Amino acid sequence: DIVMTQGALPNPVPSGESASITCQSSESLLHSNGKTYLNWYLQRPGQSPQLLIYRMSTRASGVSDRLSGSGSGTDFTLKISSVEVEDVGVYFCQQFLEYPWTFGGGTKLELK
Amino acid sequence: VKLLESGGGLVQPGGSLRLSCAASGFTFTDFYMSWIRQPPGKAPEWLGVIRNKAKGYTTEYNPSVKGRFTISRDNTQNILYLQMNALRAEDTAIYYCVRDYMYYFDYWGQGVMVTVSS
Repeated sequence: DIVMTQGALPNPVPSGESASITCQSSESLLHSNGKTYLNWYLQRPGQSPQLLIYRMSTRASGVSDRLSGSGSGTDFTLKISSVEVEDVGVYFCQQFLEYPWTFGGGTKLELK
Repeated sequence: VKLLESGGGLVQPGGSLRLSCAASGFTFTDFYMSWIRQPPGKAPEWLGVIRNKAKGYTTEYNPSVKGRFTISRDNTQNILYLQMNALRAEDTAIYYCVRDYMYYFDYWGQGVMVTVSS
């Protein structure tokens, strides 16, 4: 299985500051078609996860442009500029390159 | 798009349970559908997928549950099922019905709790 490892945030993050969440995969997520199958989700307290970013850098519909995804084959970053109350929750990265699809352990963002 | 799970609850170790997910707001047969679970306070775990009509409704499973869990669908009533057998304490989790759209999970149900305990 592809193992996804996420870094921690230096919580709490001051409101208005930027935050970067890292994710590393045990294998490259770069497909032969040139696309990288790495997704990001946010799970707000008491809610189901929701899609934020797919294929490493494409924002899902309705997602704020304060969020951006980047990375290489195995190292990825989700950057949140100017953190707001709505950004609080747990962020998960997830690979969609090969079965079984796997998730990272999550990164919690708390607001100061 | 709405996904509404049901059928959760308390079950004894070794027991069985069938979860259902009523889907609406989209053409059910066009989409792959997955089940994902999440133990309280932990990361989600993908359990398996059932493909769409074009792919013959074939299935794939996480090896962690293969042989114990079965995914099926009723395409006349737009219902997704998860049959769980030989349940263990470590199967305790919130179970989500999720629409699988071209390499990402775009819609999640609200989840249903399954507790395996004597």
